[in-house]
Amino acid sequence: GAGVSQTPSNKVTEKGKYVELRCDPISGHTALYWYRQSLGQGPEFLIYFQGTGAADDSGLPNDRFFAVRPEGSVSTLKIQRTERGDSAVYLCASSLRASGSSYNEQFFGPGTRLTVL
Amino acid sequence: AQSVSQHNHHVILSEAASLELGCNYSYGGTVNLFWYVQYPGQHLQLLLKYFSGDPLVKGIKGFEAEFIKSKFSFNLRKPSVQWSDTAEYFCAVKAGNTGTASKLTFGTGTRLQVTL
Repeated sequence: GAGVSQTPSNKVTEKGKYVELRCDPISGHTALYWYRQSLGQGPEFLIYFQGTGAADDSGLPNDRFFAVRPEGSVSTLKIQRTERGDSAVYLCASSLRASGSSYNEQFFGPGTRLTVL
Repeated sequence: AQSVSQHNHHVILSEAASLELGCNYSYGGTVNLFWYVQYPGQHLQLLLKYFSGDPLVKGIKGFEAEFIKSKFSFNLRKPSVQWSDTAEYFCAVKAGNTGTASKLTFGTGTRLQVTL
Protein backbone atom coordinates (compact mmCIF):
# COMPACT_ATOMS: atom_id res chain seq x y z
CA GLY A 1 0.00 0.00 0.00
CA ALA A 2 0.95 3.62 -0.31
CA GLY A 3 3.12 5.10 2.40
CA VAL A 4 3.32 8.64 3.71
CA SER A 5 3.92 11.08 0.89
CA GLN A 6 5.24 14.62 1.09
CA THR A 7 5.31 17.39 -1.47
CA PRO A 8 7.35 19.05 -2.71
CA SER A 9 10.43 16.91 -2.26
CA ASN A 10 12.60 20.02 -2.50
CA LYS A 11 11.75 23.66 -1.97
CA VAL A 12 14.10 26.57 -2.46
CA THR A 13 12.88 29.96 -1.35
CA GLU A 14 14.21 33.37 -0.47
CA LYS A 15 14.46 34.81 3.00
CA GLY A 16 11.21 36.44 4.02
CA LYS A 17 8.97 34.38 1.75
CA TYR A 18 6.06 32.16 2.78
CA VAL A 19 6.11 28.40 2.17
CA GLU A 20 3.67 25.53 2.51
CA LEU A 21 4.71 21.91 2.88
CA ARG A 22 2.18 19.14 2.37
CA CYS A 23 1.85 15.72 3.95
CA ASP A 24 -0.45 12.88 2.88
CA PRO A 25 -0.60 10.26 5.63
CA ILE A 26 -1.28 6.58 5.21
CA SER A 27 -4.99 6.01 4.66
CA GLY A 28 -6.77 5.32 7.93
CA HIS A 29 -4.05 6.82 10.12
CA THR A 30 -5.58 9.37 12.43
CA ALA A 31 -2.38 10.55 14.12
CA LEU A 32 -0.01 12.77 12.14
CA TYR A 33 3.33 14.21 13.22
CA TRP A 34 5.70 16.84 11.87
CA TYR A 35 9.41 16.75 12.65
CA ARG A 36 12.32 18.88 11.46
CA GLN A 37 15.78 17.48 10.81
CA SER A 38 18.65 19.91 10.53
CA LEU A 39 22.00 18.88 9.08
CA GLY A 40 23.84 16.50 11.41
CA GLN A 41 20.94 16.26 13.83
CA GLY A 42 18.17 13.81 14.57
CA PRO A 43 14.54 14.60 13.84
CA GLU A 44 13.09 17.20 16.19
CA PHE A 45 9.39 17.13 17.05
CA LEU A 46 7.29 20.07 15.91
CA ILE A 47 3.58 19.23 16.21
CA TYR A 48 1.21 16.27 16.43
CA PHE A 49 -2.40 15.95 15.30
CA GLN A 50 -4.98 13.46 16.46
CA GLY A 51 -7.71 13.83 13.87
CA THR A 52 -8.23 17.48 12.98
CA GLY A 53 -6.93 19.00 16.18
CA ALA A 54 -3.37 19.70 17.25
CA ALA A 55 -2.87 17.51 20.32
CA ASP A 56 0.64 18.82 21.02
CA ASP A 57 2.26 21.82 19.32
CA SER A 58 4.97 22.32 21.90
CA GLY A 59 7.75 21.83 19.35
CA LEU A 60 6.85 24.70 17.04
CA PRO A 61 9.81 27.08 17.39
CA ASN A 62 7.87 30.35 17.11
CA ASP A 63 4.69 31.88 15.73
CA ARG A 64 6.02 31.89 12.16
CA PHE A 65 5.27 28.18 12.08
CA PHE A 66 1.72 26.90 11.81
CA ALA A 67 0.15 23.61 10.74
CA VAL A 68 -3.36 22.57 9.83
CA ARG A 69 -5.22 19.35 9.16
CA PRO A 70 -8.76 20.53 8.34
CA GLU A 71 -10.30 17.21 7.34
CA GLY A 72 -8.24 14.89 9.51
CA SER A 73 -6.18 13.56 6.62
CA VAL A 74 -3.80 15.80 4.63
CA SER A 75 -1.78 18.26 6.67
CA THR A 76 0.00 21.45 5.64
CA LEU A 77 2.90 22.98 7.50
CA LYS A 78 3.08 26.70 6.89
CA ILE A 79 6.13 28.87 7.51
CA GLN A 80 5.85 32.65 7.30
CA ARG A 81 8.72 35.09 6.78
CA THR A 82 11.22 32.30 6.27
CA GLU A 83 14.72 32.66 7.68
CA ARG A 84 17.96 30.95 6.68
CA GLY A 85 17.84 29.01 9.94
CA ASP A 86 14.62 27.34 8.79
CA SER A 87 16.59 25.36 6.21
CA ALA A 88 16.17 21.69 7.07
CA VAL A 89 14.40 18.51 6.03
CA TYR A 90 10.81 18.55 7.23
CA LEU A 91 9.54 15.06 7.98
CA CYS A 92 5.98 13.90 8.33
CA ALA A 93 4.90 10.68 10.03
CA SER A 94 1.55 9.03 10.62
CA SER A 95 0.23 6.30 12.86
CA LEU A 96 -3.02 4.56 13.75
CA ARG A 97 -5.08 6.03 16.52
CA ALA A 98 -3.91 5.07 19.98
CA SER A 99 -5.79 2.10 21.33
CA GLY A 100 -5.17 0.28 24.59
CA SER A 101 -1.57 -0.46 25.37
CA SER A 102 -0.39 -1.44 21.92
CA TYR A 103 2.11 0.79 20.23
CA ASN A 104 1.12 2.39 16.98
CA GLU A 105 4.27 2.70 14.91
CA GLN A 106 5.05 6.03 13.32
CA PHE A 107 5.63 5.62 9.60
CA PHE A 108 7.77 8.36 8.11
CA GLY A 109 7.59 10.03 4.73
CA PRO A 110 10.57 10.96 2.55
CA GLY A 111 10.66 14.53 3.78
CA THR A 112 10.73 17.93 2.13
CA ARG A 113 14.14 19.56 1.91
CA LEU A 114 13.66 23.29 2.47
CA THR A 115 16.45 25.67 1.55
CA VAL A 116 16.11 29.33 2.44
CA LEU A 117 18.56 31.54 0.54
CA ALA B 1 11.73 16.65 29.29
CA GLN B 2 13.48 13.65 27.86
CA SER B 3 16.77 13.71 25.93
CA VAL B 4 18.85 11.15 24.05
CA SER B 5 22.61 10.90 23.57
CA GLN B 6 24.35 8.91 20.90
CA HIS B 7 28.06 9.11 21.47
CA ASN B 8 29.24 7.45 18.27
CA HIS B 9 28.72 9.88 15.40
CA HIS B 10 30.47 7.91 12.68
CA VAL B 11 31.44 4.25 12.83
CA ILE B 12 33.38 2.38 10.16
CA LEU B 13 33.43 -1.41 10.27
CA SER B 14 34.51 -4.20 7.97
CA GLU B 15 31.94 -6.78 6.93
CA ALA B 16 31.44 -9.52 9.52
CA ALA B 17 32.61 -7.30 12.36
CA SER B 18 30.41 -6.98 15.42
CA LEU B 19 28.49 -3.78 16.03
CA GLU B 20 27.46 -1.96 19.17
CA LEU B 21 26.02 1.56 19.00
CA GLY B 22 25.55 3.41 22.24
CA CYS B 23 22.36 5.19 23.30
CA ASN B 24 21.72 6.86 26.63
CA TYR B 25 18.58 8.70 27.57
CA SER B 26 17.63 11.13 30.24
CA TYR B 27 14.14 10.92 31.71
CA GLY B 28 12.93 10.26 35.22
CA GLY B 29 9.85 8.21 34.45
CA THR B 30 8.82 5.20 32.43
CA VAL B 31 10.15 5.25 28.89
CA ASN B 32 9.54 3.51 25.63
CA LEU B 33 12.68 3.13 23.51
CA PHE B 34 13.26 2.77 19.80
CA TRP B 35 15.93 2.39 17.17
CA TYR B 36 15.18 3.76 13.73
CA VAL B 37 17.32 3.26 10.62
CA GLN B 38 17.63 5.37 7.50
CA TYR B 39 19.25 3.63 4.55
CA PRO B 40 20.73 5.88 1.85
CA GLY B 41 17.94 7.51 -0.12
CA GLN B 42 15.20 5.89 1.93
CA HIS B 43 12.75 6.85 4.66
CA LEU B 44 13.27 6.44 8.35
CA GLN B 45 12.02 3.03 9.39
CA LEU B 46 11.60 1.26 12.71
CA LEU B 47 14.30 -1.28 13.52
CA LEU B 48 13.11 -2.35 16.96
CA LYS B 49 11.32 -1.14 20.06
CA TYR B 50 11.16 -1.73 23.80
CA PHE B 51 8.01 -1.17 25.82
CA SER B 52 8.13 -3.58 28.73
CA GLY B 53 9.08 -7.12 29.65
CA ASP B 54 12.25 -8.79 28.43
CA PRO B 55 14.90 -6.06 28.27
CA LEU B 56 16.61 -7.79 25.34
CA VAL B 57 14.60 -7.04 22.23
CA LYS B 58 15.13 -8.38 18.76
CA GLY B 59 14.40 -6.46 15.61
CA ILE B 60 14.63 -6.90 11.90
CA LYS B 61 17.75 -7.93 10.00
CA GLY B 62 19.45 -9.56 12.99
CA PHE B 63 19.62 -6.44 15.15
CA GLU B 64 18.97 -6.52 18.87
CA ALA B 65 19.07 -4.00 21.69
CA GLU B 66 19.29 -4.27 25.45
CA PHE B 67 17.52 -1.95 27.86
CA ILE B 68 19.56 -1.44 31.02
CA LYS B 69 17.43 0.69 33.31
CA SER B 70 20.18 1.33 35.87
CA LYS B 71 22.40 2.76 33.16
CA PHE B 72 19.65 4.59 31.25
CA SER B 73 20.94 2.84 28.15
CA PHE B 74 19.51 1.10 25.11
CA ASN B 75 22.48 -0.01 23.03
CA LEU B 76 22.03 -1.53 19.59
CA ARG B 77 23.98 -4.64 18.64
CA LYS B 78 24.53 -6.95 15.71
CA PRO B 79 26.97 -9.85 15.83
CA SER B 80 28.07 -9.64 12.20
CA VAL B 81 27.39 -6.60 10.01
CA GLN B 82 26.86 -6.67 6.28
CA TRP B 83 27.66 -4.07 3.66
CA SER B 84 23.89 -3.51 3.32
CA ASP B 85 23.76 -2.29 6.94
CA THR B 86 25.42 0.94 5.86
CA ALA B 87 22.95 3.55 7.05
CA GLU B 88 22.24 6.15 9.70
CA TYR B 89 20.88 4.85 12.98
CA PHE B 90 18.77 6.90 15.37
CA CYS B 91 17.87 6.08 18.94
CA ALA B 92 14.58 7.59 20.16
CA VAL B 93 12.62 7.77 23.38
CA LYS B 94 8.99 8.40 24.21
CA ALA B 95 7.74 9.16 27.68
CA GLY B 96 5.89 6.04 28.72
CA ASN B 97 2.98 7.67 30.48
CA THR B 98 1.64 9.70 27.59
CA GLY B 99 -0.37 7.13 25.73
CA THR B 100 0.65 5.29 22.62
CA ALA B 101 0.55 8.17 20.20
CA SER B 102 2.85 11.00 21.11
CA LYS B 103 6.13 12.58 20.17
CA LEU B 104 9.46 10.85 19.84
CA THR B 105 12.69 12.47 20.99
CA PHE B 106 15.61 11.43 18.81
CA GLY B 107 19.35 11.34 19.29
CA THR B 108 21.68 12.97 16.78
CA GLY B 109 22.25 9.69 14.94
CA THR B 110 25.19 7.43 14.18
CA ARG B 111 26.39 7.00 10.65
CA LEU B 112 27.51 3.42 10.09
CA GLN B 113 29.72 2.65 7.14
CA VAL B 114 30.45 -1.00 6.40
CA THR B 115 33.36 -1.72 4.10
CA LEU B 116 33.84 -4.84 2.02
